[in-house]
Amino acid sequence: ETGVTQTPRHLVMGMTNKKSLKCEQHLGHNAMYWYKQSAKKPLELMFVYSLEERVENNSVPSRFSPECPNSSHLFLHLHTLQPEDSALYLCASSLKASGGSANTGELFFGEGSRLTVL
Amino acid sequence: GENVEQHPSTLSVQEGDSAVIKCTYSDSASNYFPWYKQELGKRPQLIIDIRSNVGEKKDQRIAVTLNKTAKHFSLHITETQPEDSAVYFCAASIGNNDMRFGAGTRLTVKP
Repeated sequence: ETGVTQTPRHLVMGMTNKKSLKCEQHLGHNAMYWYKQSAKKPLELMFVYSLEERVENNSVPSRFSPECPNSSHLFLHLHTLQPEDSALYLCASSLKASGGSANTGELFFGEGSRLTVL
Repeated sequence: GENVEQHPSTLSVQEGDSAVIKCTYSDSASNYFPWYKQELGKRPQLIIDIRSNVGEKKDQRIAVTLNKTAKHFSLHITETQPEDSAVYFCAASIGNNDMRFGAGTRLTVKP
Protein backbone atom coordinates (compact mmCIF):
# COMPACT_ATOMS: atom_id res chain seq x y z
CA GLU A 1 0.00 0.00 0.00
CA THR A 2 1.63 3.27 -1.13
CA GLY A 3 -1.00 5.62 0.26
CA VAL A 4 -2.60 6.40 -3.12
CA THR A 5 -6.06 4.92 -3.53
CA GLN A 6 -8.04 4.84 -6.74
CA THR A 7 -11.70 3.99 -7.29
CA PRO A 8 -13.26 2.29 -9.07
CA ARG A 9 -10.69 -0.36 -9.96
CA HIS A 10 -12.71 -1.43 -12.98
CA LEU A 11 -15.22 0.54 -15.03
CA VAL A 12 -17.18 -0.36 -18.13
CA MET A 13 -19.09 2.42 -19.81
CA GLY A 14 -20.89 3.21 -23.02
CA MET A 15 -19.87 6.06 -25.26
CA THR A 16 -22.75 8.23 -24.08
CA ASN A 17 -22.19 7.73 -20.36
CA LYS A 18 -20.72 10.16 -17.87
CA LYS A 19 -18.54 8.72 -15.14
CA SER A 20 -15.74 9.83 -12.86
CA LEU A 21 -12.53 8.29 -11.57
CA LYS A 22 -11.39 9.17 -8.09
CA CYS A 23 -7.95 9.31 -6.52
CA GLU A 24 -7.03 10.00 -2.93
CA GLN A 25 -3.59 10.30 -1.37
CA HIS A 26 -2.69 10.21 2.31
CA LEU A 27 1.01 10.99 1.94
CA GLY A 28 0.94 14.73 2.46
CA HIS A 29 2.01 15.30 -1.13
CA ASN A 30 1.28 18.52 -2.97
CA ALA A 31 1.26 17.37 -6.57
CA MET A 32 -1.09 14.87 -8.22
CA TYR A 33 -1.13 13.40 -11.70
CA TRP A 34 -3.24 11.41 -14.11
CA TYR A 35 -1.44 9.00 -16.44
CA LYS A 36 -2.91 6.85 -19.19
CA GLN A 37 -1.38 3.41 -19.70
CA SER A 38 -2.16 1.64 -22.97
CA ALA A 39 -0.64 -1.62 -24.14
CA LYS A 40 2.86 -1.28 -25.62
CA LYS A 41 2.87 2.51 -25.27
CA PRO A 42 4.66 4.82 -22.84
CA LEU A 43 2.86 6.05 -19.81
CA GLU A 44 1.18 9.21 -21.07
CA LEU A 45 0.97 12.17 -18.74
CA MET A 46 -2.53 13.63 -18.99
CA PHE A 47 -2.79 16.22 -16.23
CA VAL A 48 -0.73 17.62 -13.39
CA TYR A 49 -1.93 19.59 -10.39
CA SER A 50 1.12 21.03 -8.72
CA LEU A 51 1.08 23.34 -5.75
CA GLU A 52 -2.59 23.98 -6.53
CA GLU A 53 -1.89 24.96 -10.12
CA ARG A 54 -3.08 22.89 -13.03
CA VAL A 55 -0.66 22.22 -15.84
CA GLU A 56 -2.51 21.97 -19.12
CA ASN A 57 -1.85 19.19 -21.57
CA ASN A 58 -3.21 20.32 -24.89
CA SER A 59 -3.00 16.86 -26.41
CA VAL A 60 -5.68 15.43 -24.11
CA PRO A 61 -9.20 15.53 -25.59
CA SER A 62 -11.78 17.67 -23.84
CA ARG A 63 -13.88 14.59 -23.09
CA PHE A 64 -11.46 14.12 -20.17
CA SER A 65 -11.89 16.76 -17.48
CA PRO A 66 -9.80 16.79 -14.29
CA GLU A 67 -10.80 18.26 -10.96
CA CYS A 68 -8.60 18.76 -7.91
CA PRO A 69 -10.67 20.17 -5.02
CA ASN A 70 -7.75 19.94 -2.58
CA SER A 71 -4.24 18.54 -2.38
CA SER A 72 -5.46 15.08 -1.31
CA HIS A 73 -8.14 14.41 -3.92
CA LEU A 74 -8.12 14.22 -7.68
CA PHE A 75 -10.91 13.32 -10.07
CA LEU A 76 -11.06 12.54 -13.75
CA HIS A 77 -14.48 13.20 -15.24
CA LEU A 78 -15.29 11.17 -18.33
CA HIS A 79 -17.86 12.15 -20.93
CA THR A 80 -18.70 10.72 -24.38
CA LEU A 81 -15.57 8.61 -24.53
CA GLN A 82 -14.42 6.56 -27.50
CA PRO A 83 -13.42 2.88 -27.57
CA GLU A 84 -9.78 3.92 -28.04
CA ASP A 85 -9.94 5.55 -24.62
CA SER A 86 -10.04 2.09 -23.07
CA ALA A 87 -6.90 1.84 -20.95
CA LEU A 88 -5.56 1.74 -17.42
CA TYR A 89 -5.71 5.18 -15.81
CA LEU A 90 -3.11 5.67 -13.14
CA CYS A 91 -3.11 8.37 -10.52
CA ALA A 92 0.15 9.40 -8.89
CA SER A 93 1.34 11.91 -6.34
CA SER A 94 4.64 13.46 -5.36
CA LEU A 95 6.11 16.06 -3.05
CA LYS A 96 7.30 19.29 -4.55
CA ALA A 97 9.19 22.00 -2.73
CA SER A 98 8.03 25.61 -2.98
CA GLY A 99 8.77 26.96 -6.41
CA GLY A 100 8.07 23.58 -7.93
CA SER A 101 11.57 22.85 -9.13
CA ALA A 102 13.18 20.82 -6.37
CA ASN A 103 11.44 17.75 -5.03
CA THR A 104 11.93 14.20 -3.87
CA GLY A 105 11.42 12.97 -7.42
CA GLU A 106 9.50 9.81 -6.64
CA LEU A 107 6.03 9.32 -8.02
CA PHE A 108 3.76 7.16 -5.89
CA PHE A 109 1.18 5.45 -8.07
CA GLY A 110 -2.24 4.11 -7.28
CA GLU A 111 -3.37 0.66 -8.44
CA GLY A 112 -5.12 2.18 -11.42
CA SER A 113 -8.65 2.20 -12.81
CA ARG A 114 -9.16 -0.19 -15.73
CA LEU A 115 -11.56 1.53 -18.12
CA THR A 116 -13.38 -0.21 -20.93
CA VAL A 117 -15.44 1.87 -23.34
CA LEU A 118 -17.96 -0.10 -25.35
CA GLY B 1 9.43 18.53 -24.88
CA GLU B 2 11.31 15.48 -23.67
CA ASN B 3 11.22 12.25 -25.69
CA VAL B 4 12.35 8.97 -24.14
CA GLU B 5 13.18 5.88 -26.18
CA GLN B 6 13.53 2.50 -24.46
CA HIS B 7 15.02 -0.75 -25.74
CA PRO B 8 14.44 -3.62 -25.94
CA SER B 9 10.67 -3.93 -25.69
CA THR B 10 10.99 -7.52 -24.53
CA LEU B 11 13.87 -9.33 -22.89
CA SER B 12 14.14 -12.94 -21.85
CA VAL B 13 17.05 -14.22 -19.75
CA GLN B 14 17.94 -17.34 -17.84
CA GLU B 15 17.88 -17.17 -14.08
CA GLY B 16 21.25 -16.00 -12.82
CA ASP B 17 22.13 -14.10 -15.98
CA SER B 18 22.34 -10.32 -16.22
CA ALA B 19 19.77 -8.07 -17.88
CA VAL B 20 20.40 -4.65 -19.39
CA ILE B 21 17.75 -2.16 -20.47
CA LYS B 22 18.72 1.03 -22.26
CA CYS B 23 17.02 4.40 -22.64
CA THR B 24 17.84 7.57 -24.52
CA TYR B 25 16.42 11.03 -23.93
CA SER B 26 16.29 14.14 -26.05
CA ASP B 27 16.26 17.13 -23.67
CA SER B 28 19.75 17.93 -22.40
CA ALA B 29 18.17 19.86 -19.50
CA SER B 30 16.74 16.64 -18.03
CA ASN B 31 18.36 15.98 -14.70
CA TYR B 32 16.40 13.19 -13.05
CA PHE B 33 16.15 9.61 -14.32
CA PRO B 34 14.05 7.09 -12.38
CA TRP B 35 13.31 3.46 -13.15
CA TYR B 36 9.98 1.91 -12.26
CA LYS B 37 9.04 -1.75 -12.04
CA GLN B 38 5.48 -2.87 -12.71
CA GLU B 39 4.54 -6.42 -11.88
CA LEU B 40 1.54 -7.95 -13.59
CA GLY B 41 -1.67 -6.30 -12.39
CA LYS B 42 0.14 -4.02 -9.98
CA ARG B 43 1.15 -0.37 -9.79
CA PRO B 44 4.51 0.92 -11.05
CA GLN B 45 6.99 1.28 -8.20
CA LEU B 46 10.29 3.13 -8.10
CA ILE B 47 13.24 0.77 -7.87
CA ILE B 48 16.17 3.10 -8.43
CA ASP B 49 16.84 6.62 -9.67
CA ILE B 50 19.80 8.74 -10.62
CA ARG B 51 20.36 12.46 -10.88
CA SER B 52 22.54 14.16 -13.44
CA ASN B 53 25.33 14.98 -11.02
CA VAL B 54 26.41 11.29 -10.78
CA GLY B 55 27.32 8.72 -13.40
CA GLU B 56 26.41 5.51 -11.64
CA LYS B 57 24.33 4.30 -8.73
CA LYS B 58 24.04 0.84 -7.28
CA ASP B 59 21.57 -0.86 -4.96
CA GLN B 60 22.31 -4.54 -4.36
CA ARG B 61 21.67 -6.35 -7.67
CA ILE B 62 20.43 -3.25 -9.46
CA ALA B 63 22.56 -0.49 -10.95
CA VAL B 64 21.89 2.47 -13.19
CA THR B 65 24.45 4.27 -15.34
CA LEU B 66 24.08 7.68 -16.94
CA ASN B 67 25.98 9.15 -19.89
CA LYS B 68 24.98 12.81 -20.10
CA THR B 69 27.05 13.47 -23.19
CA ALA B 70 25.37 10.74 -25.16
CA LYS B 71 22.02 11.32 -23.39
CA HIS B 72 21.46 7.73 -22.48
CA PHE B 73 21.05 5.76 -19.29
CA SER B 74 20.81 2.07 -18.56
CA LEU B 75 19.44 -0.31 -15.95
CA HIS B 76 21.56 -3.32 -15.05
CA ILE B 77 20.18 -6.26 -13.11
CA THR B 78 22.67 -8.94 -12.07
CA GLU B 79 21.98 -12.49 -10.89
CA THR B 80 18.42 -12.28 -12.12
CA GLN B 81 15.68 -14.16 -10.29
CA PRO B 82 12.17 -15.17 -11.42
CA GLU B 83 10.69 -12.44 -9.20
CA ASP B 84 12.52 -9.86 -11.33
CA SER B 85 10.05 -10.70 -14.11
CA ALA B 86 8.03 -7.54 -14.73
CA VAL B 87 7.73 -4.52 -17.01
CA TYR B 88 10.41 -1.92 -16.40
CA PHE B 89 9.94 1.74 -17.33
CA CYS B 90 12.60 4.40 -17.58
CA ALA B 91 11.74 8.06 -17.32
CA ALA B 92 13.39 11.45 -17.62
CA SER B 93 12.42 14.83 -16.30
CA ILE B 94 13.64 18.23 -15.30
CA GLY B 95 13.13 17.96 -11.58
CA ASN B 96 9.80 16.19 -11.33
CA ASN B 97 8.08 18.38 -13.85
CA ASP B 98 6.54 16.71 -16.83
CA MET B 99 8.15 13.31 -16.32
CA ARG B 100 8.28 11.39 -19.60
CA PHE B 101 8.31 7.61 -19.64
CA GLY B 102 9.73 5.09 -22.06
CA ALA B 103 7.44 2.48 -23.60
CA GLY B 104 8.57 -0.21 -21.18
CA THR B 105 10.56 -3.44 -21.33
CA ARG B 106 8.92 -6.74 -20.47
CA LEU B 107 11.57 -8.80 -18.71
CA THR B 108 11.07 -12.54 -18.32
CA VAL B 109 13.45 -14.51 -16.15
CA LYS B 110 13.27 -18.22 -16.87
CA PRO B 111 13.96 -20.56 -13.96
